[in-house]
Amino acid sequence: QVQLVQSGAEVKKPGASVKVSCKTSGYTFSEYYLHWVRQAPGQGLEWMGRINPNSGGTNYAQRFQGRVTLTRDTSFSTAYMELRWLTFDDTAFYYCAIIAVAEEGLPVFDHWGQGTLVTVSS
Amino acid sequence: SYELTQSPSVSVSPGQTARITCSGDALPTKYAYWYRQQRSGHAPVLVIYQDSKRPSGIPERFSGSSSGTTATLSISGAQVEDEADYYCYSTDTSDKSNWVFGGGTKLTVL
Repeated sequence: QVQLVQSGAEVKKPGASVKVSCKTSGYTFSEYYLHWVRQAPGQGLEWMGRINPNSGGTNYAQRFQGRVTLTRDTSFSTAYMELRWLTFDDTAFYYCAIIAVAEEGLPVFDHWGQGTLVTVSS
Repeated sequence: SYELTQSPSVSVSPGQTARITCSGDALPTKYAYWYRQQRSGHAPVLVIYQDSKRPSGIPERFSGSSSGTTATLSISGAQVEDEADYYCYSTDTSDKSNWVFGGGTKLTVL
């Protein structure tokens, strides 16, 4: 079965960086974009960006441009999200996800990691 | 930057139809998707994709529609277990390089 397994919780100081991994299995890694979504405590979902695992091409939400980098390692079917210059407002759950891929004649393909809690604390 | 607008809350009695709307300038030409999240910090679940299609395993009481700049998620015969936060999701670019979530709607069934 399809699985997206994320790395464990992190505690970082303001100004530091964090790198979250998303190890995938059960499907062809290069076939679907991987998206990153975050959710601060008590807040809504926020799209951060996506990576094409085949080409490595990326798109980022405007508010994260210059501060987030998405990468992947095809050898390990793993994607990574690095966020730099952390502030208290970056405390959130971070999710990797394959979002709603609909192909004719096939069930919609939508799978999410379990989430990684990143806490920014001094 | 592109925004999708949802009402913060909707409240219905059990058995009534709940309607949750999502407004966005690109919705006339872009699909809307809907997610349900029953607990913050838990991964959301897709309940409607491409405006009106329902994934397998999602009850038939969930339906979606879109007209003009507004997409609507309807839950007919809402049940207490449908209480959750619902988010719409869409893109504003033809190459799908930018995606946004709506702010979310808290559905209360009581």
